[in-house]
Amino acid sequence: QKEVEQDPGPLSVPEGAIVSLNCTYSNSAFQYFMWYRQYSRKGPELLMYTYSSGNKEDGRFTAQVDKSSKYISLFIRDSQPSDSATYLCAMSAKWGSQGNLIFGKGTKLSVKP
Amino acid sequence: SAVISQKPSRDICQRGTSLTIQCQVDSQVTMMFWYRQQPGQSLTLIATANQGSEATYESGFVIDKFPISRPNLTFSTLTVSNMSPEDSSIYLCSARQGDQPQHFGDGTRLSIL
Repeated sequence: QKEVEQDPGPLSVPEGAIVSLNCTYSNSAFQYFMWYRQYSRKGPELLMYTYSSGNKEDGRFTAQVDKSSKYISLFIRDSQPSDSATYLCAMSAKWGSQGNLIFGKGTKLSVKP
Repeated sequence: SAVISQKPSRDICQRGTSLTIQCQVDSQVTMMFWYRQQPGQSLTLIATANQGSEATYESGFVIDKFPISRPNLTFSTLTVSNMSPEDSSIYLCSARQGDQPQHFGDGTRLSIL
């Protein structure tokens, strides 16, 4: 079993839809959770990061962590064509040793006008 | 956040040759990292580039194949040595300043013939 599982998609939604992207993990030591967005031919761009369980909101994006279920989600409200990208989840046991980020494979999202 | 530039952005190389990838950050950073991103696979950490000392390699990666330099707090290089088609991948540089999350460059797309 891989440490981080992420459905690669592709996921196609109409403009304005609510998008839910998810990752599951097996290592209960993970405490720091990140979401990166990667456009084609670009590097990953940090969207959000959270510590432990709970929700964090930033504009149209909400990150949710459920440590009891080892499950994290990223919700995108009012999705736009510009949100079309690959979304990578990443997690780490310690902030100080963030070099040991473990990534999911990424979910490719397409938002159709 | 720091702006990270990588050179070259892409290259096509002959097997058996070596290529050095450069990573330049526009400000001093605490840590720099090198990742590999293969199609359909998770981002995988190759090594942490340590300023003034040998890089710290992850399991499965060795210095002879991926020598890394970091002469100062803003610059690092990764060399892919004695290349084979299996080395065809995207190589990404990332950097972290203090307790801030990692940020990535746009990557180097490498194809080996």
